Amino acid sequence: NAGVTQTPKFQVLKTGQSMTLQCAQDMNHEYMSWYRQDPGMGLRLIHYSVGAGITDQGEVPNGYNVSRSTTEDFPLRLLSAAPSQTSVYFCASSYSIQDGYTFGSGTRLTVV
Amino acid sequence: AQTVTQSQPEMSVQEAETVTLSCTYDTSESDYYLFWYKQPPSRQMILVIRQEAYKQQNATENRFSVNFQKAAKSFSLKISDSQLGDAAMYFCAYRSEGAQKLVFGQGTRLTINP
Repeated sequence: NAGVTQTPKFQVLKTGQSMTLQCAQDMNHEYMSWYRQDPGMGLRLIHYSVGAGITDQGEVPNGYNVSRSTTEDFPLRLLSAAPSQTSVYFCASSYSIQDGYTFGSGTRLTVV
Repeated sequence: AQTVTQSQPEMSVQEAETVTLSCTYDTSESDYYLFWYKQPPSRQMILVIRQEAYKQQNATENRFSVNFQKAAKSFSLKISDSQLGDAAMYFCAYRSEGAQKLVFGQGTRLTINP
């Protein structure tokens, strides 16, 4: 049981480049989310999904796209990377509202 | 909008002693869930303990327990018999009934002194 798997673990991008952060879970969780973690600001919600084919914006969605074609996968796309997107990104999933989220190990992204 | 506040950016405790981390939150809702997450240097976010707002009994998980005061909107974490492996950032988080979003506090860095 792998839980929530994020790839890559580290990435350096140049300003203007695009990339996709991968997230997969094998727990058959309907709820999946992407968070970013910045120093002194805790974690902030970027986008979330309540099931395949359903996504919605969180607190800080600008510059990011998501899709959910399967229950297992929830990739996060950076359209045109900016230095302000330098952060640690976490994917998380949960079975139900009352459960805590299970988090992936995170991706440290640096945009230069 | 709900907010979560952790007023202690850093805390330290002697090994084997007890430490309490504070968390307050602001909400107008009556049904919600509260969580404490641990983030060690490995960066992994680990769920420590959860509390349903409708339950008056405080949650306990081995050496970890909470003091949930719903009227005061307070949700503190007590760690008993602190161990070196407890050293980490600790985040308090709030989740509304029926909502996707976890609202996090800013975190408290806990140091364990041998």
